[in-house]
Amino acid sequence: NAGVTQTPKFRILKIGQSMTLQCTQDMNHNYMYWYRQDPGMGLKLIYYSVGAGITDKGEVPNGYNVSRSTTEDFPLRLELAAPSQTSVYFCASSYSTSSSGNTIYFGEGSWLTVV
Amino acid sequence: TQLLEQSPQFLSIQEGENLTVYCNSSSVFSSLQWYRQEPGEGPVLLVTVVTGGEVKKLKRLTFQFGDARKDSSLHITAAQPGDTGLYLCAGAMGRRALTFGSGTRLQVQP
Repeated sequence: NAGVTQTPKFRILKIGQSMTLQCTQDMNHNYMYWYRQDPGMGLKLIYYSVGAGITDKGEVPNGYNVSRSTTEDFPLRLELAAPSQTSVYFCASSYSTSSSGNTIYFGEGSWLTVV
Repeated sequence: TQLLEQSPQFLSIQEGENLTVYCNSSSVFSSLQWYRQEPGEGPVLLVTVVTGGEVKKLKRLTFQFGDARKDSSLHITAAQPGDTGLYLCAGAMGRRALTFGSGTRLQVQP
């Protein structure tokens, strides 16, 4: 049972470098999300998508870009990495909006360090 | 400004003790969820509450949604070391994505 799969698990970037965090889900969920979690803190929403071709900004979108060309994939791109982007990144998906109590399924996280 | 405030931030107790974690907001939520997150893993859903005043029980865990749907509490009876983790509340407002609280880190000593 794959669920939500994120890669890579760990990555060290130099300031100014670019990279893409990959996320794929095999549950045919419409909604997908990217959150970041700083040490000892809760999760902050970066971007989300309600379906293929549709993306929207969350609380902390600056410095990131996303695309949703298929239902399954929702990659997160960092164009010019900065130390403030050192964090743990979680991809998640759900069948529908969470207001109706739908379960959100999270990936295992991607640990990113920018030096 | 955190939309959802959790308290306490940290809690270290002995096995067998009871505890309550609070999640408060000035906003009204259509539903509220509680998650537990263990080190190196993503959050896992424990419960969803959708009706004001609703109480749900999950073994030794009791969840309550405030009458005005602005706050929630999680009560653990006779805590065990396996309850150790980061507890997160998350609120849903309309079609928006979930908003997470800052979390309560619980350590249960054997």
